[in-house]
Amino acid sequence: GAGVSQSPSNKVTEKGKDVELRCDPISGHTALYWYRQSLGQGLEFLIYFQGNSAPDKSGLPSDRFSAERTGGSVSTLTIQRTQQEDSAVYLCASTGTKIRVITEAFFGQGTRLTVV
Amino acid sequence: TQLLEQSPQFLSIQEGENLTVYCNSSSVFSSLQWYRQEPGEGPVLLVTVVTGGEVKKLKRLTFQFGDARKDSSLHITAAQPGDTGLYLCAGAAGTYKYIFGTGTRLKVLA
Repeated sequence: GAGVSQSPSNKVTEKGKDVELRCDPISGHTALYWYRQSLGQGLEFLIYFQGNSAPDKSGLPSDRFSAERTGGSVSTLTIQRTQQEDSAVYLCASTGTKIRVITEAFFGQGTRLTVV
Repeated sequence: TQLLEQSPQFLSIQEGENLTVYCNSSSVFSSLQWYRQEPGEGPVLLVTVVTGGEVKKLKRLTFQFGDARKDSSLHITAAQPGDTGLYLCAGAAGTYKYIFGTGTRLKVLA
């Protein structure tokens, strides 16, 4: 697609339920990132996928969070047994990769998750 | 752990005023970017700086990368209401894992 697409745009869920958030990156981009943004705050790194390499999961806040990227394209972030503190906007970004050159991160519009 | 601290966290100014936002770290970054995020949208890239001491200008915005590549600043001249938003710096080192700063929320009043 022309840009990074995230779905759903909004999700309201009950505490304890599982949720899946989807990210469709820009075609051909090898790197994909998930970030979490609490109201008015900066971006908290969650997980990073680069090509076929093992993902960098160092930012996942607990074992209730997991993510996968199928076929090097679409990614799904899953939150199990959601808690109220999981309420935030979840942003996905994708980038191309160049050796030793930082490239532009293109972001989706985010999924606003509200746990009630 | 690489951290990027931004200051100030919040800034509310009148149209026409100048301002500077700072992005600081104890780590060295190979390059650094500035993004602006508007409500309901994802961040959008403003500039990338790669050389220590580099200065880039984008209309009324001036970006500087510190000589030691540990810090950066964003200066806005004659701020306008359209400059309102969340400004984020982002650094990358080695692994291309983008680390974003804590953000500066700017509001420019007409």
